[in-house]
Amino acid sequence: GESVGLHLPTLSVQEGDNSIINCAYSNSASDYFIWYKQESGKGPQFIIDIRSNMDKRQGQRVTVLLNKTVKHLSLQIAATQPGDSAVYFCAEIPYNQGGKLIFGQGTELSVKP
Amino acid sequence: ETGVTQSPTHLIKTRGQQVTLRCSSQSGHNTVSWYQQALGQGPQFIFQYYREEENGRGNFPPRFSGLQFPNYSSELNVNALELDDSALYLCASSLVERHYGYTFGSGTRLTVV
Repeated sequence: GESVGLHLPTLSVQEGDNSIINCAYSNSASDYFIWYKQESGKGPQFIIDIRSNMDKRQGQRVTVLLNKTVKHLSLQIAATQPGDSAVYFCAEIPYNQGGKLIFGQGTELSVKP
Repeated sequence: ETGVTQSPTHLIKTRGQQVTLRCSSQSGHNTVSWYQQALGQGPQFIFQYYREEENGRGNFPPRFSGLQFPNYSSELNVNALELDDSALYLCASSLVERHYGYTFGSGTRLTVV
């Protein structure tokens, strides 16, 4: 079936370190990928996106890498801050399915001061 | 610009009952999607509405139904509630022309006892 999975359910980092969150996806027909941040009691919040014709995209303190050969997506957060503590989800949008988001299980990022 | 608002924030229902959850879209958005998020899992797509009609559906039984109103607000109805329906229900709105630009609400926490 369709699924987007994550390699690690939890990640603990020291404040100021860089964080890398990984994601494996299974639908080769996806043409768009999004990383979301979800804090306790809130809905998912958009972080960064990338189209399937790209392999890297940078935002403010965040970088997304896409490797279509091995169906792997990663989110890099530079200089991680306590406010980055949350659950991070990758999501894919398969081509021609009306914008339906397929989410992975999530990785909980904990930042130690 | 207002975001997506959902009501109620929390709800407790008894197995077999029916429930209606409500969502007000972000201003200017014309598409509404609903997701179910079980504890510790990623959101699962239920269905999407555009121009007051269902425009895509996930693997949910017919007892999950919805409505979209002319002002683009939406309802999610669940009949014959089961214990496994306990979850966070998320609403996301977007512009169909830019359906990747989802904005999520904070969700309704439904507990079925």
